[in-house]
Amino acid sequence: DQQVKQNSPSLSVQEGRISILNCDYTNSMFDYFLWYKKYPAEGPTFLISISSIKDKNEDGRFTVFLNKSAKHLSLHIVPSQPGDSAVYFCAANLYGGSQGNLIFGKGTKLSVKP
Amino acid sequence: EAGVAQSPRYKIIEKRQSVAFWCNPISGHATLYWYQQILGQGPKLLIQFQNNGVVDDSQLPKDRFSAERLKGVDSTLKIQPAKLEDSAVYLCASSLDAGGNQPQHFGDGTRLSIL
Repeated sequence: DQQVKQNSPSLSVQEGRISILNCDYTNSMFDYFLWYKKYPAEGPTFLISISSIKDKNEDGRFTVFLNKSAKHLSLHIVPSQPGDSAVYFCAANLYGGSQGNLIFGKGTKLSVKP
Repeated sequence: EAGVAQSPRYKIIEKRQSVAFWCNPISGHATLYWYQQILGQGPKLLIQFQNNGVVDDSQLPKDRFSAERLKGVDSTLKIQPAKLEDSAVYLCASSLDAGGNQPQHFGDGTRLSIL
C-alpha cells in the first residue's frame, strides 16, 4: 500500500516553461514533505521541503505547494532548464523534520528540452 | 565538504552468496541511514543509526540482513545469504542529528546484482 504516490512516471517540458510535478499522499499524519532530485548513477539530492503548517515554500526557481485538505503537494520549477532533467522524488515524514523514516514515491522523470 | 562515501559502486554475486557494503558519512553527522532502492521504486529505509545505536530497524529483513556502525562513524551493511529479490541499489545517507530539519544527504549508492 503506497502512502506517497507520484502518478506521472514522466514529464516533458520545453526549456523556459514551467514544470509541475505532483505528489499525493494518503496518511494525514505526515507532517513534513521533501523533494529530492536524482541524476543517473548518483544518489538523491535534497531540493526543497515544506512543513505541514505551511502551504508554500519557495527557493529560487523551485516552489513547493501543499494542499493538506486534498493531501496533495506539487513542485513548480520556473523557468525550467535542461539541467533540471532528472528523476524527482517526493518524500514524506511522520515524525517531524527531515529525520527518520522518509517514505518516498516512485519518482517522476522530468525531461527539459532545449 | 566531502559527501557521503560508499563502496563498492557495483557488485555482482550469485544467490546464496554473501556481500557487504561500506558507508562513510559526512564528517560530524550523527545520524546514518541505509535505504534499499529497487528498480522503478523510491528508496525504502532499512535501518537508522543515531551515533552507534539503532533507532529504527523495523524494515530490515533480519534473517539475512545485518548492519553495524562501530564507533558511531562508518557503517557496514551485510546480506547473508543473498536472494534474487535483493537486487537493488543500496543507498547510505547521513544527517547532522536526529532533530530539526537538516536534510538527509545521500551517497551515490552500491548497485547490487544477484545472478
